[in-house]
Amino acid sequence: KAGVTQTPRYLIKTRGQQVTLSCSPISGHRSVSWYQQTPGQGLQFLFEYFSETQRNKGNFPGRFSGRQFSNSRSEMNVSTLELGDSALYLCASSWAGGEKLFFGSGTQLSVL
Amino acid sequence: ELKVEQNPLFLSMQEGKNYTIYCNYSTTSDRLYWYRQDPGKSLESLFVLLSNGAVKQEGRLMASLDTKARLSTLHITAAVHDLSATYFCAPLTQGGSEKLVFGKGTKLTVNP
Repeated sequence: KAGVTQTPRYLIKTRGQQVTLSCSPISGHRSVSWYQQTPGQGLQFLFEYFSETQRNKGNFPGRFSGRQFSNSRSEMNVSTLELGDSALYLCASSWAGGEKLFFGSGTQLSVL
Repeated sequence: ELKVEQNPLFLSMQEGKNYTIYCNYSTTSDRLYWYRQDPGKSLESLFVLLSNGAVKQEGRLMASLDTKARLSTLHITAAVHDLSATYFCAPLTQGGSEKLVFGKGTKLTVNP
């Protein structure tokens, strides 16, 4: 059974650009959550999607957005990138949310 | 808002020794997860603690949950080098939309 797949694995962007990250959950999982991991702030919750609807949102500016498709795949978008957006972005899936999360390998984003 | 405090944040120990990692959280939660992260890797689920007094053991690791004290512990018995990693606790928020809130992590180094 395939795990959570995130693409791309690494990404280098410059300030002001925008970026889209992709996440394919484990087959049958309908909840997808996104987390940002940095050395200073640790793991911070971005948002969660369930059945194409955003069900929960963390304390991030509106530059961070996401969506979920009918096949449960999810994308997150960051517009007008800032240096502080450099981080490991982790996607996690679960059957319905609120239970054990299965994490992908993450996308390491560097903003120059 | 649920806050999570782990201590210690850094732990260096010798092989064969025992130690405990503590996870305190600020508001009611009756479900807590422990994850492990190796350098450059994603998060791997270790334990799910579902009720007050729950205790789970896997190899040299044992986790417990006291919901009244809002405290979880991860006890390491006779540490070995392979346990070197960062360990995160994550209680589940309650009421409304649920999400996992992660502690800052405890970086464990086991020295020969």
